[in-house]
Amino acid sequence: DTEVTQTPKHLVMGMTNKKSLKCEQHMGHRAMYWYKQKAKKPPELMFVYSYEKLSINESVPSRFSPECPNSSLLNLHLHALQPEDSALYLCASSRLTSGGITYEQYFGPGTRLTVT
Amino acid sequence: AQSVTQLDSQVPVFEEAPVELRCNYSSSVSVYLFWYVQYPNQGLQLLLKYLSGSTLVKGINGFEAEFNKSQTSFHLRKPSVHISDTAEYFCAVSFTGGGNKLTFGTGTQLKVEL
Repeated sequence: DTEVTQTPKHLVMGMTNKKSLKCEQHMGHRAMYWYKQKAKKPPELMFVYSYEKLSINESVPSRFSPECPNSSLLNLHLHALQPEDSALYLCASSRLTSGGITYEQYFGPGTRLTVT
Repeated sequence: AQSVTQLDSQVPVFEEAPVELRCNYSSSVSVYLFWYVQYPNQGLQLLLKYLSGSTLVKGINGFEAEFNKSQTSFHLRKPSVHISDTAEYFCAVSFTGGGNKLTFGTGTQLKVEL
């Protein structure tokens, strides 16, 4: 099973709202990722968790707050977003290596976020 | 600098014709190579991967790719496309020393026509 699940599928929120995106995988992967994808563009990496610890933050604004409660779950907490944050948010997971190179990543279906 | 290039932003092709989507990378270190497909309003699905071994890699949906180290290429091919292959295709590379990061190409829109 190579499934990564994400909820919700769609989310509309105002600029003053607080919401959370959820991601789950049961492949035993110890690396989990959040990406942001705009239309007609490749995914842009936001955060990486390795062994449930934040290992990479690609200078993402603090209105995005990631959380990894356990090895299967990844959350992205959203607060005071801007209209330009509207995008498809993708979660992914992968095995970890010790050689500083990543194996293939498995992606979820994404959450389509619209900020009004 | 390490980079990935997909020169063709769009590739139109007739159904049952062969297709090749091109991917080149620039690197002085070892790499792992991947192709992903993205259908409208969906996530990315792994088509195939090259980690080591045989340079000809077979993937899902009848796709294959060949790793050419001297040309630093990893082109994706399918001998006969179907309407359902219409999608965005991303080449992605993992570089040694790059940590848990994938570097994506800009994507190629494959449009299969009747």
